[in-house]
Amino acid sequence: KQEVTQIPAALSVPEGENLVLNCSFTDSAIYNLQWFRQDPGKGLTSLLLIQSSQREQTSGRLNASLDKSSGRSTLYIAASQPGDSATYLCAVKWGGGNKLTFGTGTQLKVEL
Amino acid sequence: DAGVIQSPRHEVTEMGQEVTLRCKPISGHNSLFWYRQTMMRGLELLIYFNNNVPIDDSGMPEDRFSAKMPNASFSTLKIQPSEPRDSAVYFCASSLGGGQNNEQFFGPGTRLTVL
Repeated sequence: KQEVTQIPAALSVPEGENLVLNCSFTDSAIYNLQWFRQDPGKGLTSLLLIQSSQREQTSGRLNASLDKSSGRSTLYIAASQPGDSATYLCAVKWGGGNKLTFGTGTQLKVEL
Repeated sequence: DAGVIQSPRHEVTEMGQEVTLRCKPISGHNSLFWYRQTMMRGLELLIYFNNNVPIDDSGMPEDRFSAKMPNASFSTLKIQPSEPRDSAVYFCASSLGGGQNNEQFFGPGTRLTVL
């Protein structure tokens, strides 16, 4: 069964700290992996998309890596800020269609 | 572009009533997705369309749920009759083209409460 897991479910860090969010998936034959941010009561904002042929993608203070062989992706956030507080979701697309399978998310709180 | 537009943003209804959720995808996008988010099950894909044609509806929970896409700029998700367990946030998303490497862009969601 194709599943996506995110651990921990919640994380609290002090402002300025660099942090890593983890995503693991059961079937390494992915097509791509997408990281999203969700603020309370809001929709999802796409942060980064990594294709299966790529190892990483960067956008500003965010860097996402992909290791298909181990079934893992990480989202690195540099110099965290209180505005980064949100739930971060990863979603995997396996071959054969446009379906995204989501993890349950990591709720991040960056404290002053 | 205004992004994906969903209406209503909030809906409160009584059990047994019909509920219709609406979505306008980003102009030019030809793939449209309906998701449901609950605390218990997280985000689940209900159905998606390519070029207005339903491709995968395996996530639709039961016959009470139906979705249509009469044209490239409009889709509806209907629940009839609604039940309390249908209470959730329903998201619509769209992507450009049928390619599997296209990002999905989400609307703000409709929070449905069935009493």
